[in-house]
Amino acid sequence: EVQLVESGGGLVQPGGSLRLSCAASGFTLSGDWMHWVRQAPGKGPMWVSRINSDGSSTGYADSVNGRFTISRDNAKNTLHLQMNSLRVEDTAVYYCAHAVDGSRNDLDIWGQGTMVTVSS
Amino acid sequence: QSVLTQPPSASGTPGQRVTISCSGSNSNVGSSSVCWYQQLPGTAPKLLINKNDLRPSGVPDRFSGSKSGTSASLAIGGLRSEDEADYYCAAWDGSLSKLVFGGGTKLTVL
Repeated sequence: EVQLVESGGGLVQPGGSLRLSCAASGFTLSGDWMHWVRQAPGKGPMWVSRINSDGSSTGYADSVNGRFTISRDNAKNTLHLQMNSLRVEDTAVYYCAHAVDGSRNDLDIWGQGTMVTVSS
Repeated sequence: QSVLTQPPSASGTPGQRVTISCSGSNSNVGSSSVCWYQQLPGTAPKLLINKNDLRPSGVPDRFSGSKSGTSASLAIGGLRSEDEADYYCAAWDGSLSKLVFGGGTKLTVL
């Protein structure tokens, strides 16, 4: 079965750090763009970051630029998001998503999401 | 305030056809392909339409997409109770260098 499984979410205090991981099974990530998208409770999805197939090109939303770092380990078929200097407004479900073969931004496979709560 | 504008709600009765609009600008919808996502409560978004009007494998042909200029639309024909969900459009914005989503449309099947 083709799936993405996120892990690493949890409760963290403002200013703290978390590292999210996304493991792929049933397919290989290596040739494709990957994204992180988050969704705050009761809100719509918000794009966080993307990375190209070999990790040489990345992009970030303004609200996380300089605090979050996306990376990938193609040998381990995994995607990561290092989140530093977390703020209350970063509280959300974080999804990893795979871009359709040959596309950069059409997201055809999504994980189930991992909840990140930033609170004191 | 979302970069892409959608009506907050839409409704229809079983069997009807409903259309959801998505309005953007030259830097996103006008110059990039549009995707549509369906999100059922408590689940991740699901890709319904990509490249403006393509249906991924497994998506019923009741769902169709179109784009003209800086606006896009999702049409759902033969409405069914299981179509009740939130629907989001999305496109890459070349000026902002980010993927932008619409604010979402909550579809109610009466």
